Amino acid sequence: GDSVTQMEGPVTLSEEAFLTINCTYTATGYPSLFWYVQYPGEGLQLLLKATKADDKGSNKGFEATYRKETTSFHLEKGSVQVSDSAVYFCALSGLFASGTYKYIFGTGTRLKVLA
Amino acid sequence: DAGVTQSPTHLIKTRGQQVTLRCSPKSGHDTVSWYQQALGQGPQFIFQYYEEEERQRGNFPDRFSGHQFPNYSSELNVNALLLGDSALYLCASSSTTGGGETQYFGPGTRLLVL
Repeated sequence: GDSVTQMEGPVTLSEEAFLTINCTYTATGYPSLFWYVQYPGEGLQLLLKATKADDKGSNKGFEATYRKETTSFHLEKGSVQVSDSAVYFCALSGLFASGTYKYIFGTGTRLKVLA
Repeated sequence: DAGVTQSPTHLIKTRGQQVTLRCSPKSGHDTVSWYQQALGQGPQFIFQYYEEEERQRGNFPDRFSGHQFPNYSSELNVNALLLGDSALYLCASSSTTGGGETQYFGPGTRLLVL
C-alpha cells in the first residue's frame, strides 16, 4: 500500500543553517505531495505542495521538488530561524475509487533551531 | 473567511464513556475527513464524509462513528473509550469541486482518557 517515510528527528540546527528533511514515498499512480507544519499545541498547517513530477512547491523560504525517479520530496530551507522550530510532516494524497482523497502521513520530523 | 473549526479544544473522559467531537469545515468545502494523531506520531485516517455519507474508512473499529449534517459540519463519536484513544483528533475539510486534494486542518481536539 501507499506509504511515506521521513527521516527521524529531532533535527537540531543553529539559526541561519541550511535545512534538509528527507521524505520518500511509495504509491500507486501519481499522488500529490505535501509538507505540513505543526507548531506546539496546534493543528497542521499546509506549508507547500506539488501535484506532478518535477513541480517545485515553495512557501516562506521552504521548498521541495517532486522527484518521481527517486520517489522523493525533500524539504529544504536555506536559512532557518528560531521561529521555524516545529514538527514537519510529509504526506501524499491517495485517491479512492470513489474519487475522493485521503492523506497518508509520515511520522513527522521535529526541528529545533537554536539562537 | 473562517477556517476549519473544532470543538471542544480539550476533553477529559474516563474509560467506557462516550465522546462527541465537532467540526465545521472551511467555507465552500463539502468534504470532511477525521484523523487521529497519537503523541509523537503522524495523523492516521479514520473516515471521510461527503454528501452526509461515510465514503471511506480507515483501519478503526466500529466504536468510531460519525455524521455529516446538511451544512457540511461533522461529528466524530467514540464509544466505550479506551486509554489508547487518548490522542489529538484532527478534522480536515476539502472541496470536491476544487479537486479535493488539498485538505485544510483544524486546530484539533485533544482527548485524554483516564
